[in-house]
Amino acid sequence: GIQVEQSPPDLILQEGANSTLRCNFSDSVNNLQWFHQNPWGQLINLFYIPSGTKQNGRLSATTVATERYSLLYISSSQTTDSGVYFCAVTSGSRLTFGEGTQLTVNP
Amino acid sequence: GAGVSQSPSNKVTEKGKDVELRCDPISGHTALYWYRQSLGQGLEFLIYFQGNSAPDKSGLPSDRFSAERTGGSVSTLTIQRTQQEDSAVYLCASSLYTAGSQETQYFGPGTRLLVL
Repeated sequence: GIQVEQSPPDLILQEGANSTLRCNFSDSVNNLQWFHQNPWGQLINLFYIPSGTKQNGRLSATTVATERYSLLYISSSQTTDSGVYFCAVTSGSRLTFGEGTQLTVNP
Repeated sequence: GAGVSQSPSNKVTEKGKDVELRCDPISGHTALYWYRQSLGQGLEFLIYFQGNSAPDKSGLPSDRFSAERTGGSVSTLTIQRTQQEDSAVYLCASSLYTAGSQETQYFGPGTRLLVL
């Protein structure tokens, strides 16, 4: 099956810093989603981004489908950005998730 | 409804007992998915429904796991003779499936299952 790799596995930032999270996938995909899992376990949709670039406030994402990677940019990080960020791809109907990046933003 | 809802939020059961987990998808969403999140396995796909049929149930880990969906809406995931390794968070998602394209999957808050 398709493989999804995320890096880095852990990231610690000071409030106000910028960061880039990476997602590599092993095969062509129909779709790619980025999620933020909050401390209560809820998966919150950030982006549906099979290709191209999107921005939503301090967050933006870019997917280069031909090179099989996606990047999530977080600018001016806040403590509320802490949590696990997942990349997930669809091939067929199911989502296949990466292992996630655990982000900690310190005040 | 406004989002995907799941019940119960938490479930503690004894090994060997059966449990039922419920999912209410977003109104109008024809596709429904079950996933499981556990410490050792990460987030893994279990089963997918399109309407009331399940064209992909390949993620179900054993024949103790089954799921059904009625009326193209509510789904129930049943685990028979629970084992300790079934302890996990069970997540449900739904999407507005359009043939030939893929849609965003929206997740519920999950059911935290603990098997003692």
